[in-house]
Amino acid sequence: NAGVTQTPKFQVLKTGQSMTLQCAQDMNHEYMSWYRQDPGMGLRLIHYSVGAGITDQGEVPNGYNVSRSTTEDFPLRLLSAAPSQTSVYFCASSYVGGPNEQFFGPGTRLTVL
Amino acid sequence: AQSVTQLGSHVSVSEGALVLLRCNYSSSVPPYLFWYVQYPNQGLQLLLKYTSAATLVKGINGFEAEFKKSETSFHLTKPSAHMSDAAEYFCAVSEGTGNQFYFGTGTSLTVIP
Repeated sequence: NAGVTQTPKFQVLKTGQSMTLQCAQDMNHEYMSWYRQDPGMGLRLIHYSVGAGITDQGEVPNGYNVSRSTTEDFPLRLLSAAPSQTSVYFCASSYVGGPNEQFFGPGTRLTVL
Repeated sequence: AQSVTQLGSHVSVSEGALVLLRCNYSSSVPPYLFWYVQYPNQGLQLLLKYTSAATLVKGINGFEAEFKKSETSFHLTKPSAHMSDAAEYFCAVSEGTGNQFYFGTGTSLTVIP
């Protein structure tokens, strides 16, 4: 199993550009989520999904969109990048229902100039 | 609402010394509690989790944590630090279905030779 994969590993954007961060898992997990990690702030939940066709907002959803058309994939879209979105982004997945460990991808380091 | 507080954003210990990383939580219902480790430029990896079965939880790499309901704490310990333990450690809490995690701000552990 590849586990949770994320692409790209690094990305530099200019303010106002849009892009999609890709996340895929091969563990048949229903639950998938996106976090951003900023120094001194830990991980903050952006969006999550409990299954195909179902998404919901987390703690910091503004400026981001998600969709879940398949169990395996959960892309995160930045609509109009801003310097405040410079961060490291992690995708995670788990089975639905607790207490299930979340499995994390290796992260995408995004810089917005 | 749930929250996690990790006291000490940076902890330094000598090689061979006791490691103690503190985590306090707030939750309106019995929580599920987790410790994750993040090595440089990597994703998060589960160290251990508390699921109400036993208050003393043993994890990987010699780490353990004790759930103390009266103190709302879940501190992480290791009797003897190793150089390879240098990393960022995150405490997380979830409740209900157990899928939505709330992370602390992290503790960076330095091991001094």
